[in-house]
Amino acid sequence: ILNVEQSPQSLHVQEGDSTNFTCSFPSSNFYALHWYRWETAKSPKALFVMTLNGDEKKKGRISATLNTKEGYSYLYIKGSQPEDSATYLCALYTGGFKTIFGAGTRLFVKA
Amino acid sequence: DVKVTQSSRYLVKRTGEKVFLECVQDMDHENMFWYRQDPGLGLRLIYFSYDVKMKEKGDIPEGYSVSREKKERFSLILESASTNQTSMYLCASSPAETGPSPLHFGNGTRLTVT
Repeated sequence: ILNVEQSPQSLHVQEGDSTNFTCSFPSSNFYALHWYRWETAKSPKALFVMTLNGDEKKKGRISATLNTKEGYSYLYIKGSQPEDSATYLCALYTGGFKTIFGAGTRLFVKA
Repeated sequence: DVKVTQSSRYLVKRTGEKVFLECVQDMDHENMFWYRQDPGLGLRLIYFSYDVKMKEKGDIPEGYSVSREKKERFSLILESASTNQTSMYLCASSPAETGPSPLHFGNGTRLTVT
């Protein structure tokens, strides 16, 4: 069974700091990697869909990279803001109806 | 924007009670899912449905059942709630030919079984 590990489990940063966290997986037997942002009392919302090795996506201050050969994806946040505080989930879509989720990285941004 | 609505944000039930968690989506999606989220673990799939009246077990179906009588509604049923079913429950939907497209989630229901 493909296992998705996310690190760190939680992260505290100051407003304005740049930060990154990792999603790692032991093999590239998947079709897509998804990053979700899950704010408290809201629904998880998709940030990025990564499908190719070397894929890189950017949305405003947030970007993500995928390296299937080395087995990781990074999520970067430049100049963190309090509204970036959330749990960031990584998930691998392995086909059909199957998506495997990591436990998430909980980010706290202090003003 | 896709809207997935879960009927309750918080629920407190007693051991042995029958519990219904309701989920409605408004985007005519064929696929619907129920996950649970526990501290330190990734979301785990309980059941999913790819059409009306069709249902399939996920990774942790024990103690649960589901119902999909209408396309937009997917219900999760705990026949006899137990304390180990205390958890955050998330409903999700996706279109039929989802491919690598992400899931659309509801806000979650935090269930406490005492």
